[in-house]
Amino acid sequence: EPEVTQTPSHQVTQMGQEVILRCVPISNHLYFYWYRQILGQKVEFLVSFYNNEISEKSEIFDDQFSVERPDGSNFTLKIRSTKLEDSAMYFCASSEEFAGYEQFFGPGTRLTVL
Amino acid sequence: AQSVTQLDSQVPVFEEAPVELRCNYSSSVSVYLFWYVQYPNQGLQLLLKYLSGSTLVKGINGFEAEFNKSQTSFHLRKPSVHISDTAEYFCAVTLKAAGNKLTFGGGTRVLVKP
Repeated sequence: EPEVTQTPSHQVTQMGQEVILRCVPISNHLYFYWYRQILGQKVEFLVSFYNNEISEKSEIFDDQFSVERPDGSNFTLKIRSTKLEDSAMYFCASSEEFAGYEQFFGPGTRLTVL
Repeated sequence: AQSVTQLDSQVPVFEEAPVELRCNYSSSVSVYLFWYVQYPNQGLQLLLKYLSGSTLVKGINGFEAEFNKSQTSFHLRKPSVHISDTAEYFCAVTLKAAGNKLTFGGGTRVLVKP
Protein backbone atom coordinates (compact mmCIF):
# COMPACT_ATOMS: atom_id res chain seq x y z
CA GLU A 1 0.00 0.00 0.00
CA PRO A 2 1.42 3.40 -0.94
CA GLU A 3 2.46 5.60 1.94
CA VAL A 4 3.94 8.98 2.71
CA THR A 5 7.50 8.80 3.97
CA GLN A 6 9.49 11.40 5.90
CA THR A 7 13.16 11.80 6.66
CA PRO A 8 14.79 12.09 9.07
CA SER A 9 12.68 10.64 11.84
CA HIS A 10 14.46 12.82 14.38
CA GLN A 11 16.51 15.97 13.79
CA VAL A 12 18.46 17.81 16.46
CA THR A 13 19.78 21.26 15.63
CA GLN A 14 21.19 24.34 17.26
CA MET A 15 19.14 27.52 17.48
CA GLY A 16 19.73 29.71 14.45
CA GLN A 17 20.63 26.84 12.15
CA GLU A 18 18.74 25.99 8.98
CA VAL A 19 16.94 22.66 8.72
CA ILE A 20 15.28 20.90 5.83
CA LEU A 21 12.65 18.30 6.49
CA ARG A 22 11.96 15.92 3.64
CA CYS A 23 8.85 14.13 2.55
CA VAL A 24 7.98 11.80 -0.29
CA PRO A 25 4.22 12.03 -0.93
CA ILE A 26 2.18 9.30 -2.56
CA SER A 27 3.07 9.31 -6.22
CA ASN A 28 -0.25 10.18 -7.88
CA HIS A 29 -1.24 12.80 -5.31
CA LEU A 30 -1.47 16.44 -6.31
CA TYR A 31 -1.91 18.28 -3.01
CA PHE A 32 0.72 18.44 -0.30
CA TYR A 33 0.65 19.71 3.24
CA TRP A 34 2.76 20.34 6.30
CA TYR A 35 1.40 20.24 9.83
CA ARG A 36 3.16 20.43 13.16
CA GLN A 37 2.42 19.34 16.70
CA ILE A 38 4.21 20.96 19.59
CA LEU A 39 4.40 18.56 22.52
CA GLY A 40 1.13 18.57 24.42
CA GLN A 41 -0.64 20.81 21.91
CA LYS A 42 -2.94 20.37 18.94
CA VAL A 43 -1.85 19.37 15.46
CA GLU A 44 -1.65 22.67 13.55
CA PHE A 45 -1.81 23.37 9.83
CA LEU A 46 1.22 25.11 8.37
CA VAL A 47 0.86 25.16 4.60
CA SER A 48 -0.72 23.52 1.58
CA PHE A 49 0.90 23.27 -1.84
CA TYR A 50 -0.50 22.59 -5.26
CA ASN A 51 0.77 23.00 -8.79
CA ASN A 52 4.16 24.20 -7.54
CA GLU A 53 2.84 27.00 -5.43
CA ILE A 54 1.47 27.62 -1.97
CA SER A 55 -2.31 27.48 -1.98
CA GLU A 56 -2.85 28.33 1.67
CA LYS A 57 -0.70 29.06 4.70
CA SER A 58 -1.28 29.73 8.36
CA GLU A 59 -0.06 32.58 10.51
CA ILE A 60 2.65 30.27 11.82
CA PHE A 61 4.14 29.96 8.34
CA ASP A 62 6.15 33.18 8.34
CA ASP A 63 9.19 34.22 6.32
CA GLN A 64 11.37 31.73 8.19
CA PHE A 65 9.52 28.87 6.54
CA SER A 66 9.52 27.80 2.91
CA VAL A 67 8.37 24.78 0.95
CA GLU A 68 9.57 23.34 -2.28
CA ARG A 69 8.99 20.44 -4.59
CA PRO A 70 12.49 20.21 -6.03
CA ASP A 71 11.79 17.20 -8.22
CA GLY A 72 8.90 14.92 -9.09
CA SER A 73 8.91 13.06 -5.81
CA ASN A 74 10.18 15.11 -2.87
CA PHE A 75 8.39 17.83 -0.93
CA THR A 76 10.50 19.78 1.55
CA LEU A 77 9.97 22.16 4.43
CA LYS A 78 12.84 24.53 5.20
CA ILE A 79 13.20 26.53 8.37
CA ARG A 80 15.87 29.17 7.76
CA SER A 81 16.87 30.11 11.28
CA THR A 82 15.42 27.77 13.87
CA LYS A 83 14.09 28.97 17.20
CA LEU A 84 13.54 27.01 20.39
CA GLU A 85 9.79 27.24 19.81
CA ASP A 86 10.12 25.43 16.47
CA SER A 87 10.71 22.22 18.41
CA ALA A 88 7.80 19.99 17.41
CA MET A 89 6.73 16.95 15.44
CA TYR A 90 6.31 17.90 11.79
CA PHE A 91 3.91 15.88 9.67
CA CYS A 92 3.77 15.83 5.91
CA ALA A 93 0.53 14.83 4.19
CA SER A 94 -0.73 14.43 0.65
CA SER A 95 -4.11 14.02 -1.00
CA GLU A 96 -5.30 12.99 -4.42
CA GLU A 97 -7.79 15.76 -4.80
CA PHE A 98 -8.99 18.82 -2.94
CA ALA A 99 -11.81 19.32 -0.49
CA GLY A 100 -13.17 16.30 1.31
CA TYR A 101 -10.49 13.92 0.16
CA GLU A 102 -8.45 11.95 2.65
CA GLN A 103 -5.09 13.38 3.53
CA PHE A 104 -2.51 10.64 3.98
CA PHE A 105 0.02 11.43 6.69
CA GLY A 106 3.63 10.47 7.06
CA PRO A 107 5.08 9.23 10.38
CA GLY A 108 6.51 12.64 11.21
CA THR A 109 9.90 14.20 11.90
CA ARG A 110 10.64 15.17 15.45
CA LEU A 111 12.61 18.42 15.41
CA THR A 112 14.50 19.38 18.55
CA VAL A 113 16.07 22.83 18.67
CA LEU A 114 18.68 23.33 21.37
CA ALA B 1 -12.71 30.62 12.03
CA GLN B 2 -13.49 27.00 12.75
CA SER B 3 -12.50 25.16 15.91
CA VAL B 4 -12.74 21.63 17.25
CA THR B 5 -13.09 20.54 20.86
CA GLN B 6 -12.51 17.04 22.09
CA LEU B 7 -13.98 16.95 25.54
CA ASP B 8 -11.92 14.07 26.92
CA SER B 9 -8.14 14.11 26.86
CA GLN B 10 -7.90 10.53 28.13
CA VAL B 11 -10.35 7.64 28.15
CA PRO B 12 -9.46 4.42 29.96
CA VAL B 13 -11.65 1.48 28.94
CA PHE B 14 -11.66 -2.25 29.52
CA GLU B 15 -11.25 -4.67 26.65
CA GLU B 16 -14.55 -5.63 25.00
CA ALA B 17 -16.33 -2.64 26.54
CA PRO B 18 -17.86 0.09 24.38
CA VAL B 19 -16.20 3.46 23.98
CA GLU B 20 -17.41 6.88 22.86
CA LEU B 21 -15.12 9.77 22.07
CA ARG B 22 -16.76 13.15 21.97
CA CYS B 23 -16.09 15.85 19.40
CA ASN B 24 -17.77 19.22 18.99
CA TYR B 25 -16.97 21.78 16.35
CA SER B 26 -17.66 25.42 15.75
CA SER B 27 -17.94 26.91 12.29
CA SER B 28 -20.04 29.56 10.58
CA VAL B 29 -20.06 27.58 7.34
CA SER B 30 -20.55 23.94 6.40
CA VAL B 31 -17.73 21.56 7.15
CA TYR B 32 -16.43 18.14 6.32
CA LEU B 33 -15.64 16.04 9.41
CA PHE B 34 -12.93 13.48 9.99
CA TRP B 35 -11.61 11.14 12.66
CA TYR B 36 -7.96 10.16 12.54
CA VAL B 37 -6.09 7.67 14.72
CA GLN B 38 -2.44 7.76 15.64
CA TYR B 39 -0.78 4.60 16.88
CA PRO B 40 2.53 4.94 18.73
CA ASN B 41 5.38 6.10 16.49
CA GLN B 42 3.15 6.27 13.43
CA GLY B 43 1.47 8.95 11.38
CA LEU B 44 -2.21 9.82 11.46
CA GLN B 45 -4.51 7.34 9.74
CA LEU B 46 -8.04 8.13 8.62
CA LEU B 47 -10.74 6.19 10.48
CA LEU B 48 -13.77 7.71 8.80
CA LYS B 49 -15.18 10.90 7.35
CA TYR B 50 -18.48 12.66 6.88
CA LEU B 51 -18.99 14.63 3.69
CA SER B 52 -22.78 14.51 3.17
CA GLY B 53 -25.72 12.13 3.18
CA SER B 54 -26.39 9.66 5.96
CA THR B 55 -25.39 11.07 9.32
CA LEU B 56 -24.14 7.71 10.56
CA VAL B 57 -20.76 6.95 9.09
CA LYS B 58 -18.96 3.64 9.35
CA GLY B 59 -15.20 3.45 9.25
CA ILE B 60 -12.36 1.01 9.56
CA ASN B 61 -11.72 -1.29 12.51
CA GLY B 62 -15.37 -1.32 13.59
CA PHE B 63 -15.60 2.40 14.38
CA GLU B 64 -18.58 4.56 13.53
CA ALA B 65 -19.50 8.19 14.07
CA GLU B 66 -22.69 10.20 13.97
CA PHE B 67 -22.95 13.71 12.64
CA ASN B 68 -25.41 15.88 14.56
CA LYS B 69 -25.79 19.25 12.90
CA SER B 70 -27.99 20.80 15.56
CA GLN B 71 -25.50 19.91 18.29
CA THR B 72 -22.48 20.48 16.03
CA SER B 73 -21.09 17.16 17.15
CA PHE B 74 -19.37 14.20 15.54
CA HIS B 75 -18.90 11.60 18.25
CA LEU B 76 -16.93 8.42 17.56
CA ARG B 77 -18.04 5.05 18.90
CA LYS B 78 -16.97 1.45 18.96
CA PRO B 79 -19.20 -1.20 20.57
CA SER B 80 -16.36 -3.46 21.73
CA VAL B 81 -12.73 -2.36 21.93
CA HIS B 82 -9.58 -4.43 21.62
CA ILE B 83 -6.17 -3.93 23.16
CA SER B 84 -4.98 -2.88 19.70
CA ASP B 85 -7.31 0.14 19.79
CA THR B 86 -4.98 1.79 22.29
CA ALA B 87 -4.01 4.97 20.45
CA GLU B 88 -4.67 8.68 20.20
CA TYR B 89 -7.76 9.77 18.30
CA PHE B 90 -8.15 13.13 16.59
CA CYS B 91 -11.29 14.80 15.35
CA ALA B 92 -10.80 17.31 12.52
CA VAL B 93 -12.76 19.54 10.16
CA THR B 94 -12.23 21.27 6.85
CA LEU B 95 -14.43 23.97 5.39
CA LYS B 96 -16.58 22.91 2.44
CA ALA B 97 -16.44 26.27 0.76
CA ALA B 98 -12.78 27.07 0.84
CA GLY B 99 -9.44 25.48 1.50
CA ASN B 100 -8.46 22.01 2.50
CA LYS B 101 -6.59 22.61 5.73
CA LEU B 102 -7.53 20.31 8.55
CA THR B 103 -8.33 21.92 11.88
CA PHE B 104 -7.75 19.40 14.64
CA GLY B 105 -9.08 18.88 18.11
CA GLY B 106 -6.69 18.31 20.96
CA GLY B 107 -6.87 14.53 20.71
CA THR B 108 -8.20 11.81 23.02
CA ARG B 109 -5.84 9.17 24.29
CA VAL B 110 -7.60 5.79 24.59
CA LEU B 111 -6.04 3.20 26.86
CA VAL B 112 -7.60 -0.23 26.59
CA LYS B 113 -7.04 -2.36 29.68
CA PRO B 114 -7.23 -6.16 29.73
